[in-house]
Amino acid sequence: EAGVTQFPSHSVIEKGQTVTLRCDPISGHDNLYWYRRVMGKEIKFLLHFVKESKQDESGMPNNRFLAERTGGTYSTLKVQPAELEDSGVYFCASSPRWSLVDTEAFFGQGTRLTVV
Amino acid sequence: DAKTTQPNSMESNEEEPVHLPCNHSTISGTDYIHWYRQLPSQGPEYVIHGLTSNVNNRMASLAIAEDRKSSTLILHRATLRDAAVYYCILTDTDKLIFGTGTRLQVFP
Repeated sequence: EAGVTQFPSHSVIEKGQTVTLRCDPISGHDNLYWYRRVMGKEIKFLLHFVKESKQDESGMPNNRFLAERTGGTYSTLKVQPAELEDSGVYFCASSPRWSLVDTEAFFGQGTRLTVV
Repeated sequence: DAKTTQPNSMESNEEEPVHLPCNHSTISGTDYIHWYRQLPSQGPEYVIHGLTSNVNNRMASLAIAEDRKSSTLILHRATLRDAAVYYCILTDTDKLIFGTGTRLQVFP
């Protein structure tokens, strides 16, 4: 069974450009999460989808970030326009259950974003 | 935000047991204790979780103090592949709140 897949693995863009990250969760997992680690900081929660609906987007840093999950399958995270401080590693995770208290989240390998 | 405290780093020799401590003195009754690890250039990987009782799985054991204010992740025989950052996380919702974790080095 395929795990959580993220595309691209690396992206280098110039400040002001737009970048779109994609995440394919494990098949059948209704719950999809985005996390990120920016330079020198801890891994931080960004948002949580349940199917195509945003359950919790309290971690989204600002309105330059837009996450979508049309059809409740794969998800995209668009950064427009990108700023230098957006550089970091963006992780996607999926889970079969809404709550993570008694289950595990399956993470992808991440997309390393570098804004120059 | 992180409600756990872990040592920044630990070292072990291969094939020796490793005990990774975690303090969570403000744990609430509904918080589960989770451990994830992050191997180099990988995403976080689930290791084990528990609520009150000690837990064992194929990867590790989790020992939870009776008052639940601390826990210990036990790797019974460390291998080079176990070198990673280990995160102790409390959760009672849909979010995992990562701290700085413990970087485990394993020497041959």
